[in-house]
Amino acid sequence: GQQVMQIPQYQHVQEGEDFTTYCNSSTTLSNIQWYKQRPGGHPVFLIQLVKSGEVKKQKRLTFQFGEAKKNSSLHITATQTTDVGTYFCAGPQGAQKLVFGQGTRLTINP
Amino acid sequence: DTEVTQTPKHLVMGMTNKKSLKCEQHMGHRAMYWYKQKAKKPPELMFVYSYEKLSINESVPSRFSPECPNSSLLNLHLHALQPEDSALYLCASSLQQGGSYNSPLHFGNGTRLTVT
Repeated sequence: GQQVMQIPQYQHVQEGEDFTTYCNSSTTLSNIQWYKQRPGGHPVFLIQLVKSGEVKKQKRLTFQFGEAKKNSSLHITATQTTDVGTYFCAGPQGAQKLVFGQGTRLTINP
Repeated sequence: DTEVTQTPKHLVMGMTNKKSLKCEQHMGHRAMYWYKQKAKKPPELMFVYSYEKLSINESVPSRFSPECPNSSLLNLHLHALQPEDSALYLCASSLQQGGSYNSPLHFGNGTRLTVT
């Protein structure tokens, strides 16, 4: 079945540094979704990308969907301690369910 | 805050106990899900209900029994669990089933289950 691979598994940065996580699918995706899970919390939906080459921004977060709709990235500019958590990408498998990547755990040194 | 409410927040149970996890949403969503999440792992799909009917069972052991009494409620009945079943159990809902456009998942806070 379709797999969604996400790298890196862990990322530790100094506060103020940038951060990027990458997501790759073995098949073309109709859309890709990004979620954030704070330590001890639950996943929270951040954004959905649908169009080939789409770029969306949410304040310091920039989300991209590849031209082939097989890869995506999340970039955070000038990280803050509130950005700590695990970021998951997720892509639909058929019309039935969402498959999550392994997640990138971001820790920040203040 | 989340619009999907799960109870209890924490549960400790013995291997011979019977317990139930409850989930409620009032967003008019027609799909509801149970996920299991182990530490440092992504959520792992267990069951999906669409329009109150079970549409996906991801080969989950029968000691986990889901129930959807109505479009707003989802239960997970637990019986004879094993210590390896200890995990965070997340309920989620979405407008429609699957990962279709405009139908992201809304997760509850989860129930942290410990099986002793």
